[in-house]
Amino acid sequence: EDQVTQSPEALRLQEGESSSLNCSYTVSGLRGLFWYRQDPGKGPEFLFTLYSAGEEKEKERLKATLTKKESFLHITAPKPEDSATYLCAVLVYNNNDMRFGAGTRLTVKP
Amino acid sequence: EPEVTQTPSHQVTQMGQEVILRCVPISNHLYFYWYRQILGQKVEFLVSFYNNEISEKSEIFDDQFSVERPDGSNFTLKIRSTKLEDSAMYFCASDGGSYEQYFGPGTRLTVT
Repeated sequence: EDQVTQSPEALRLQEGESSSLNCSYTVSGLRGLFWYRQDPGKGPEFLFTLYSAGEEKEKERLKATLTKKESFLHITAPKPEDSATYLCAVLVYNNNDMRFGAGTRLTVKP
Repeated sequence: EPEVTQTPSHQVTQMGQEVILRCVPISNHLYFYWYRQILGQKVEFLVSFYNNEISEKSEIFDDQFSVERPDGSNFTLKIRSTKLEDSAMYFCASDGGSYEQYFGPGTRLTVT
């Protein structure tokens, strides 16, 4: 069965303290891996799509990378406004069922 | 910037009543989706819709659920006879064919 596991469940950082969030996946055939940001009571906000191992994408303080078994979301010098839940999701071939992980709840303290 | 919109933002209904949740996807998108998120749990896929028909549905999407695109802009989710366990946030999403799904702000459904 296709599975997506995110770690840690929660992460508290000081402003400026860089770190990484992990998303490990077990799927039958990866069409794409997606990162979203979700603020409380809001819908997921699209951040990145990664399609193949070795691919990297960057946006401001965020950088997403992909291997054959996992993806990392690196946060460089985070600010309090980066506090949110970060969701990882996968899409597999022959299936429109996007499978989400449980998310990592990030808190950045000033 | 184009965005997905959803109405209402909050719907309270009694058990056994029918509800219709509405979505306006991004205008040039062709693929539409509904997801739900029970408080504190994962986002769960319900259904995908393309070319005026369901292309995929999950085991959650049983006979009490239906979707429709009644005109060129709206996309609706109907729950025929609501149950307490249907209480959740319901998200609509759309994509333009790149697999990048853009989500709306959600409708909070409370069944009492």
